[in-house]
Amino acid sequence: DGGITQSPKYLFRKEGQNVTLSCEQNLNHDAMYWYRQDPGQGLRLIYYSQIVNDFQKGDIAEGYSVSREKKESFPLTVTSAQKNPTAFYLCASTMGRQGGLSTDTQYFGPGTRLTVL
Amino acid sequence: AQSVTQLDSHVSVSEGTPVLLRCNYSSSYSPSLFWYVQHPNKGLQLLLKYTSAATLVKGINGFEAEFKKSETSFHLTKPSAHMSDAAEYFCVVSDNDMRFGAGTRLTVKP
Repeated sequence: DGGITQSPKYLFRKEGQNVTLSCEQNLNHDAMYWYRQDPGQGLRLIYYSQIVNDFQKGDIAEGYSVSREKKESFPLTVTSAQKNPTAFYLCASTMGRQGGLSTDTQYFGPGTRLTVL
Repeated sequence: AQSVTQLDSHVSVSEGTPVLLRCNYSSSYSPSLFWYVQHPNKGLQLLLKYTSAATLVKGINGFEAEFKKSETSFHLTKPSAHMSDAAEYFCVVSDNDMRFGAGTRLTVKP
């Protein structure tokens, strides 16, 4: 089955620690995205990547970092600089690159719920 | 810059009655518009999308939406609600960037 996997499903972190969320896709999609979801606020874009070894900041990139060393993988690190990291994190992918292919459907993973203790 | 407004944060209907979830948008271009559904603690799933073809778009699970350019709206409807429709629904506008609405929580009463 093709799709996007995220792990872990639930993650607990102590304040001051960095933590990395995994996102893998086997859809052969070019572009991948990370969103943060908070109650009543919809989805906000953290980072996106249109091609291997390249990524751009979204609307709320501060306190986060990403890498795109392989087409199928786009891990997100939540650093200690992120002031309020408790949230639901969603990874997504599209076949084409963002901008210019705006009809693309986004395919979402099941999400990771991060709680900072 | 584009934006999207979902006019109701919460809609409650009885099973078997019609559903209307409202979405208005603004865009400098001819956007694509999407509706996604999210069940609790799950990812989002595409319901339907408008891409400048027919203005009335049919999606999965009996949902449909009508693109009205003059009203800058893309409201989601379903003739008869089912208990399994209870979820969060997101309207999305896409031109050079993709923007999500804040979401509408649909509750279906038995």
